[in-house]
Amino acid sequence: DGGITQSPKYLFRKEGQNVTLSCEQNLNHDAMYWYRQDPGQGLRLIYYSQIVNDFQKGDIAEGYSVSREKKESFPLTVTSAQKNPTAFYLCASSTRWEERVETQYFGPGTRLLVL
Amino acid sequence: GQNIDQPTEMTATEGAIVQINCTYQTSGFNGLFWYQQHAGEAPTFLSYNVLDGLEEKGRFSSFLSRSKGYSYLLLKELQMKDSASYLCAVNPTGGYNKLIFGAGTRLAVHP
Repeated sequence: DGGITQSPKYLFRKEGQNVTLSCEQNLNHDAMYWYRQDPGQGLRLIYYSQIVNDFQKGDIAEGYSVSREKKESFPLTVTSAQKNPTAFYLCASSTRWEERVETQYFGPGTRLLVL
Repeated sequence: GQNIDQPTEMTATEGAIVQINCTYQTSGFNGLFWYQQHAGEAPTFLSYNVLDGLEEKGRFSSFLSRSKGYSYLLLKELQMKDSASYLCAVNPTGGYNKLIFGAGTRLAVHP
């Protein structure tokens, strides 16, 4: 069964704490993405990676960091520098963009709450 | 700037037809996606348009007019399970698989 998994489903962060959200895919996709979803707003791109060991900032990368050591995995760390981290975080993947747009497929999401 | 506009909420009756509109203003255009998202769940892919015209897929159809910066999603024979948010997303030109998302349209289907 191919798909994208995210864990945990819910995550609580204390002030000043870094937390890491997991994203794993077994779709053999080269490209992976992290989005943030807030009520009343569209999904906003945090980081994306088109290939292992390479990643780029999206529109709202401040306060976040990522790594891409394996094709299947793209973890997102929410650092203490992110002052408003409460949101629904969605991971997505796609085949690698060449000359045409590729459909992005989403994981089930992680809801991050600040204590 | 980049802007995607959709109505915030719509209501419809089970068995009816509903049209959800999306207008966009982006720096270039390389395709438009529609996703369905049930509350608290992942968006799921519905349709993709890159050329003008209507794409039909079962009960769902999506239309695109590039000259007008306009798309709509048409849902026929509405079912209660169609109650969800519908997200419009555009890929502007820019060298990678970037998507700009609208805020979504929350559709409530009533008996």
